Amino acid sequence: GAVVSQHPSWVICKSGTSVKIECRSLDFQATTMFWYRQFPKQSLMLMATSNEGSKATYEQGVEKDKFLINHASLTLSTLTVTSAHPEDSSFYICSARAPRDLSYEQYFGPGTRLTVT
Amino acid sequence: GENVGLHLPTLSVQEGDNSIINCAYSNSASDYFIWYKQESGKGPQFIIDIRSNMDKRQGQRVTVLLNKTVKHLSLQIAATQPGDSAVYFCAGSKGSYKLIFGSGTRLLVRP
Repeated sequence: GAVVSQHPSWVICKSGTSVKIECRSLDFQATTMFWYRQFPKQSLMLMATSNEGSKATYEQGVEKDKFLINHASLTLSTLTVTSAHPEDSSFYICSARAPRDLSYEQYFGPGTRLTVT
Repeated sequence: GENVGLHLPTLSVQEGDNSIINCAYSNSASDYFIWYKQESGKGPQFIIDIRSNMDKRQGQRVTVLLNKTVKHLSLQIAATQPGDSAVYFCAGSKGSYKLIFGSGTRLLVRP
């Protein structure tokens, strides 16, 4: 159990276009999902926390108008990279928290490799 | 803010030996720590966790040690196998469910 999927697994887009990445919890309901960005040979950096039915909370330095997050249901959160530029090329990873007991555990998706040309 | 970091970027061990991966944190308010394993091109995989009211926790072939006095966390892998080769991250939280990741250590297992 506790499987998180992402779609697409990789995407190439042209500079100036927008790209949407989906994060789904397949076998549990996730009230909270997280979006991370990871550059090559670096650690995961939290971009935003997404709560179902409310606005996402963005980390300092992350542009909320550029990285649009929608958490429309308990099993789906989307990240849209608007007006993408080559510097947005990165590995985007989502995670979901299963609200059981007091567990802090997050279940991670397989990631989405974004390349902006 | 919270800061979780690692000492060594790369650790090379002989297959069958034990591995010890270290992590330091600066925020004494952190109350929950997790070790993750990440293989190339994949998302992090949960290994083991520990709460701040514990100093040791054991899993299958893995042990996490927490020393709150010196703000140090370690992951011990017994009888390291080729499949253990990956990047290992520690992550910490201070009650907000938000995890802050360390910089990562690459574990290389020599045959």
